[in-house]
Amino acid sequence: DTEVTQTPKHLVMGMTNKKSLKCEQHMGHRAMYWYKQKAKKPPELMFVYSYEKLSINESVPSRFSPECPNSSLLNLHLHALQPEDSALYLCASSLQGRGDNSPLHFGNGTRLTVT
Amino acid sequence: RKEVEQDPGPFNVPEGATVAFNCTYSNSASQSFFWYRQDCRKEPKLLMSVYSSGNEDGRFTAQLNRASQYISLLIRDSKLSDSATYLCVVPGYSSASKIIFGSGTRLSIRP
Repeated sequence: DTEVTQTPKHLVMGMTNKKSLKCEQHMGHRAMYWYKQKAKKPPELMFVYSYEKLSINESVPSRFSPECPNSSLLNLHLHALQPEDSALYLCASSLQGRGDNSPLHFGNGTRLTVT
Repeated sequence: RKEVEQDPGPFNVPEGATVAFNCTYSNSASQSFFWYRQDCRKEPKLLMSVYSSGNEDGRFTAQLNRASQYISLLIRDSKLSDSATYLCVVPGYSSASKIIFGSGTRLSIRP
């Protein structure tokens, strides 16, 4: 059982749609992450929130917009995506996220298909 | 040199065999290291954490060699269920919290 919960598990959207991915954790972690993973590749970091502030944005296109409403929740708003954005989107959390050397705990991901 | 480097495999070994693979890292200041396993189309799951010289958990042993800057993962008495991709992960040693993933080693256990 994962302690990081992501919804939805699967999402199919058109290029003109707006949708949101949601992530929740109740481990008291203060760092939350969005990763994108394509087949046979390692996860690629998109965003990091540390203590509810955006601390890393890995030059992600503006059609991806993260939001951290509180320390337990993380959203990723999607708008005008391209077919090449189809991937597994993983949320993760860790204790503090500031070089604290703690591991990432991943949610089970949202498999996104853009048509 | 890549920050974290793994042999991509695939390693194809018979059930019951012992298999080991390495992960090299470039940042000599790194303090912690993690092995994750990832099954096809699933999320990575933490397998082992390594903070000092090594760690052992049942059939799995992780060893850290700081002088040569690599960590290894040894799997003894391999099971069919060990078939997966094994990711080596090294947290960045900075306030930016960059966490570096190796490209993963694919392991396939055959009956």
